[in-house]
Amino acid sequence: DTGVSQDPRHKITKRGQNVTFRCDPISEHNRLYWYRQTLGQGPEFLTYFQNEAQLEKSRLLSDRFSAERPKGSFSTLEIQRTEQGDSAMYLCASSPRTSGLKQFFGPGTRLTVL
Amino acid sequence: AQKVTQAQTEISVVEKEDVTLDCVYETRDTTYYLFWYKQPPSGELVFLIRRNSFDEQNEISGRYSWNFQKSTSSFNFTITASQVVDSAVYFCALSENQAGTALIFGKGTTLSVSS
Repeated sequence: DTGVSQDPRHKITKRGQNVTFRCDPISEHNRLYWYRQTLGQGPEFLTYFQNEAQLEKSRLLSDRFSAERPKGSFSTLEIQRTEQGDSAMYLCASSPRTSGLKQFFGPGTRLTVL
Repeated sequence: AQKVTQAQTEISVVEKEDVTLDCVYETRDTTYYLFWYKQPPSGELVFLIRRNSFDEQNEISGRYSWNFQKSTSSFNFTITASQVVDSAVYFCALSENQAGTALIFGKGTTLSVSS
């Protein structure tokens, strides 16, 4: 199966710790997206890459959040000094060059901040 | 501002019933794209359909059908003869950018189908 993969699937951390999530998009998809989903809500857009360039960032992405996609393949999302309000499912999606409209989602990383 | 409203939080039906999930959107753009995604209990969002603002034709795919009406800014989704496997959270989403960057999602409708 060559779908979008995310690691880890679950992360429990204490408030104030830093965490990093990884996303591996579908091979040759040049666009990669990060979303956050809290309980009972729809996913909320965080940021978007086209190849290695970060082209769009939501106001939700505070300065404690940073995302990278250094070689235009996998991406990492780091949260520094985690807060309880950061507890959520973090979803990654990718889309191909020829059809940026259809986004394929990964299984998500569930973050719990104690 | 763009916004997607799914007024139905939860719907419960018995197998073989038809069910319609409502979606109302707001946008100032004349070019936009509408989507439906399914999120089963496993959690992974599954793409169901995409529609652009210039194509108001209704679409049918098996037991699924979609009714797009620009006049009422609605993009409703009907499941005919529902099955237990249809139980999931369904999200309607909007994208205003032709390249399909940010998807703006509604809050979702939880569909429970009992046998």
